[in-house]
Amino acid sequence: NAGVTQTPKFRILKIGQSMTLQCAQDMNHNYMYWYRQDPGMGLKLIYYSVGAGITDKGEVPNGYNVSRSTTEDFPLRLELAAPSQTSVYFCASSRGGAYNEQFFGPGTRLTVL
Amino acid sequence: TQLLEQSPQFLSIQEGENLTVYCNSSSVFSSLQWYRQEPGEGPVLLVTVVTGGEVKKLKRLTFQFGDARKDSSLHITAAQPGDTGLYLCAGAGNNDMRFGAGTRLTVKP
Repeated sequence: NAGVTQTPKFRILKIGQSMTLQCAQDMNHNYMYWYRQDPGMGLKLIYYSVGAGITDKGEVPNGYNVSRSTTEDFPLRLELAAPSQTSVYFCASSRGGAYNEQFFGPGTRLTVL
Repeated sequence: TQLLEQSPQFLSIQEGENLTVYCNSSSVFSSLQWYRQEPGEGPVLLVTVVTGGEVKKLKRLTFQFGDARKDSSLHITAAQPGDTGLYLCAGAGNNDMRFGAGTRLTVKP
């Protein structure tokens, strides 16, 4: 199993540009999450999904959109990129439930100039 | 404002020393997890605690969940350079997860 994969690994955007961060998992997990991690900080939840067709906002959803058309894929869309969105983005998946142990991808490092 | 407060923020110790880091919240969680993150990588789960008062051991690491399920501690015995990393606690809500800011541990040889 590949686990959770993310593409691209690195990206530089200009202010106002848009892009989609890709995330896929092959563990048949229902739950998927997007986090951002700013330098020296923990993770902030952007959006999450408990199954295909269902998404919910996390702590910091402004400036982002998500969709979940399949169990495997959970792309994160940035519209009109801003310097404040410079961060490392992590996707994670889990089975949910009381334990809800999360498996993380390797991250995408995004810089907005 | 962090829902989960971790302390200390930074910790630098010598190999062989013992240490304890803390994760505190005013909220009750259905479970609490500890992760370790190394530079350039995603967090990796160390342990999940579910029951108030629960203690779990993972080799030299001992994890405790508070009786009220609001706080947790991680104790490392005889720290080694390989323990260096960012230690994150995370609380499980209804369907989402909230992370603390982490404790950055450096163990010097």
